Amino acid sequence: DAGVTQSPTHLIKTRGQHVTLRCSPISGHKSVSWYQQVLGQGPQFIFQYYEKEERGRGNFPDRFSARQFPNYSSELNVNALLLGDSALYLCASSFPGESPLHFGNGTRLTVT
Amino acid sequence: GENVEQHPSTLSVQEGDSAVIKCTYSDSASNYFPWYKQELGKRPQLIIDIRSNVGEKKDQRIAVTLNKTAKHFSLHITETQPEDSAVYFCAAMLTFGGGTRLMVKP
Repeated sequence: DAGVTQSPTHLIKTRGQHVTLRCSPISGHKSVSWYQQVLGQGPQFIFQYYEKEERGRGNFPDRFSARQFPNYSSELNVNALLLGDSALYLCASSFPGESPLHFGNGTRLTVT
Repeated sequence: GENVEQHPSTLSVQEGDSAVIKCTYSDSASNYFPWYKQELGKRPQLIIDIRSNVGEKKDQRIAVTLNKTAKHFSLHITETQPEDSAVYFCAAMLTFGGGTRLMVKP
């Protein structure tokens, strides 16, 4: 079975630009979560989506938004990029409820 | 929201020794506590998890304990090996701790 796939793997953007990151979950998983991981720190929870609805939101500004599609894939959008948005963005899929997260390899975003 | 504190941030042990990592959480409604291992340049992967109706769980050299009253849980690794060297994260539901870098010296 294919694991969680994320695209692109690397991305370089300029301050003020917009970025869209994509995630395809493991087949059968209907829940997708997004995390930001800054080097040397733990993953910070951004969003969780289940059945196309937002089920949880972390402490991130409104510049961050996401959506989930009927095939359970997901997009994370970040507007008005700041230097501090440079990080590894991880997507994870899971079964609903209390179940383990299966992470993708992440998208490394660099904002210059 | 939930807040998870993890200690220590770094831990160095000799091969064959035991390692213990401790976490506390703030939201008494949390009832699922996974642990993830992240090797350098790789994604986090689940190593063990525990639910609130269980006080202890063991899987070979790895064990996790949970004290719901005190809101803390711990990871125990026995007979450590060099390949155990990695960063370990605890989590309460979807909130992660800051991580522990474990170094096992041969």
